[in-house]
Amino acid sequence: AQSVTQLGSHVSVSEGALVLLRCNYSSSVPPYLFWYVQYPNQGLQLLLKYTTGATLVKGINGFEAEFKKSETSFHLTKPSAHMSDAAEYFCAVSEVPNDYKLSFGAGTTVTVRA
Amino acid sequence: NAGVTQTPKFRVLKTGQSMTLLCAQDMNHEYMYWYRQDPGMGLRLIHYSVGEGTTAKGEVPDGYNVSRLKKQNFLLGLESAAPSQTSVYFCASSYGGNRWTGELFFGEGSRLTVL
Repeated sequence: AQSVTQLGSHVSVSEGALVLLRCNYSSSVPPYLFWYVQYPNQGLQLLLKYTTGATLVKGINGFEAEFKKSETSFHLTKPSAHMSDAAEYFCAVSEVPNDYKLSFGAGTTVTVRA
Repeated sequence: NAGVTQTPKFRVLKTGQSMTLLCAQDMNHEYMYWYRQDPGMGLRLIHYSVGEGTTAKGEVPDGYNVSRLKKQNFLLGLESAAPSQTSVYFCASSYGGNRWTGELFFGEGSRLTVL
């Protein structure tokens, strides 16, 4: 079975500073990995995903993540935070083709200071 | 551009009452999911469906039932509500089979309080 651990439930950054959100996973097969973002009072939306191929993936709004198999990690970064990045971020894993369900981490809330 | 629509958006129940949450999607997606979101616990899968007439249990199915009589609708039922079922419920849908990409399309959530 797969699982996801997100390190840090809250992250506070200054506007213009680096955003780094940490995610580690466990999976019995090569995983599919995802980052989702949730803005206040909304559902989740896909930020980026890794399935196969290039280990550095780029997503929307300037975010990117790198799949590191040796470290079982999929950390999310953005070089320069913007006020609009304030949201909750979820890392998720799936064990395709064994199943088509996503297991989510507990989430990390990002606040951006002016 | 309706996408995934959940009704109702808010509901307060007393312990022991029953209710049904309705999820409707207009994207012709094969797979549908019900998650619950609780502080510090992320999203946990309750039940899911890979096609009309089929359902399966997720991580936390106890106390819930589901039905998918039509491809576009996925109903989540609580037969006898308990305070532990106070949560925000999210429905999601996706393409299925070899069209599955991992991108789930979420509704805006249904906030349920059980007193």
